[in-house]
Amino acid sequence: AQSVTQLDSQVPVFEEAPVELRCNYSSSVSVYLFWYVQYPNQGLQLLLKYLSGSTLVKGINGFEAEFNKSQTSFHLRKPSVHISDTAEYFCAVTFTGFQKLVFGTGTRLLVSP
Amino acid sequence: GAGVSQSPSNKVTEKGKDVELRCDPISGHTALYWYRQSLGQGLEFLIYFQGNSAPDKSGLPSDRFSAERTGGSVSTLTIQRTQQEDSAVYLCASSQGQGNPYEQYFGPGTRLTVT
Repeated sequence: AQSVTQLDSQVPVFEEAPVELRCNYSSSVSVYLFWYVQYPNQGLQLLLKYLSGSTLVKGINGFEAEFNKSQTSFHLRKPSVHISDTAEYFCAVTFTGFQKLVFGTGTRLLVSP
Repeated sequence: GAGVSQSPSNKVTEKGKDVELRCDPISGHTALYWYRQSLGQGLEFLIYFQGNSAPDKSGLPSDRFSAERTGGSVSTLTIQRTQQEDSAVYLCASSQGQGNPYEQYFGPGTRLTVT
């Protein structure tokens, strides 16, 4: 069965430091990959997506992610975080022929001054 | 333009009661999804509607859960004989359609508490 793993449930980081949130997936078919962000008491907002083409994708708010097929990973990065980046981040995949998203368990990013 | 809206934003109900949750997708979006977000289970897919096709109900946890989509627009998720384990945030999303995995736009969710 296809699955998504986010190994870090919580990542504390200081403001202006770089951050990487890890995501690994398992699938026997091609995948499309997404990162969503959820601010407190809000719905999910798409940060970025990988559908095809360049493996380095850039999203909103200065985030980027790199698709690595050999390592089945899609890690999210930001070179310098802000307090306002404090939120829950979800990695998700959908598989060729399907539309439903399979989500990871989420990573809570805590940015402190 | 208007995004996905859901109502009510919060619902408290007694165990054993039926509840209905509503989702208004973005105008023109042909695909509509329901997900459930709970502490123990994370984000789970429940059901998916695409145009006039039969819905994908593979994520519904039990036969107490059902959903319909009227006129290809508004959707209602119904939970019968609610149980405490049904307490969760129910999220609705819509997207442009099938083929490529278009971006899913999420609503703010309905927080259901079963007492």
